[in-house]
Amino acid sequence: DAKTTQPPSMDCAEGRAANLPCNHSTISGNEYVYWYRQIHSQGPQYIIHGLKNNETNEMASLIITEDRKSSTLILPHATLRDTAVYYCILPPDSNYQLIWGAGTKLIIKP
Amino acid sequence: ETGVTQSPTHLIKTRGQQVTLRCSSQSGHNTVSWYQQALGQGPQFIFQYYREEENGRGNFPPRFSGLQFPNYSSELNVNALELDDSALYLCASGFRDLGSDTQYFGPGTRLTVL
Repeated sequence: DAKTTQPPSMDCAEGRAANLPCNHSTISGNEYVYWYRQIHSQGPQYIIHGLKNNETNEMASLIITEDRKSSTLILPHATLRDTAVYYCILPPDSNYQLIWGAGTKLIIKP
Repeated sequence: ETGVTQSPTHLIKTRGQQVTLRCSSQSGHNTVSWYQQALGQGPQFIFQYYREEENGRGNFPPRFSGLQFPNYSSELNVNALELDDSALYLCASGFRDLGSDTQYFGPGTRLTVL
């Protein structure tokens, strides 16, 4: 079972900020939160990861709550090419497997 | 671009046949993981190879096997194909020794079993 919970779908207007939430209440103190996205029929793409401080890179920002039980991925100026399924994932378990949930299907509308 | 490539892009096989899928990892990476992704679902972990040895496996039968080579290439072999094996097969490479679990995915191989 996935260790994270995400809404199944979200819409966002082109040019606006897309805020994608994720709950990970069972996260351990030293576990990073990873975000990937998958555009239709392509391989997943790494976006960003963080431990407890907010992180920003050229693709997105990641806001992690102080108790680390939830996080939000922010795409500051969404474009149509950001339409994808976004996955919030915790690190591999002792068997080295990443456990993927269903993700959030983000649709950017013109 | 992740530097991870997979071949072939698409493949059609019949039930009972065997198939080999190939992956070329990003230079310098020492892990390669394989995933199966059915339509509309998230990827399912098959196994991971680290320094050419399998060291983690998901809930897949032994007819799914793999190899990792010193030249950053790897293979996924599936014997006795079943209709339910039709899926997108993804490989991902990473570098475990740095303490990071970031994985970089290839574009996938779409396998259809008839």
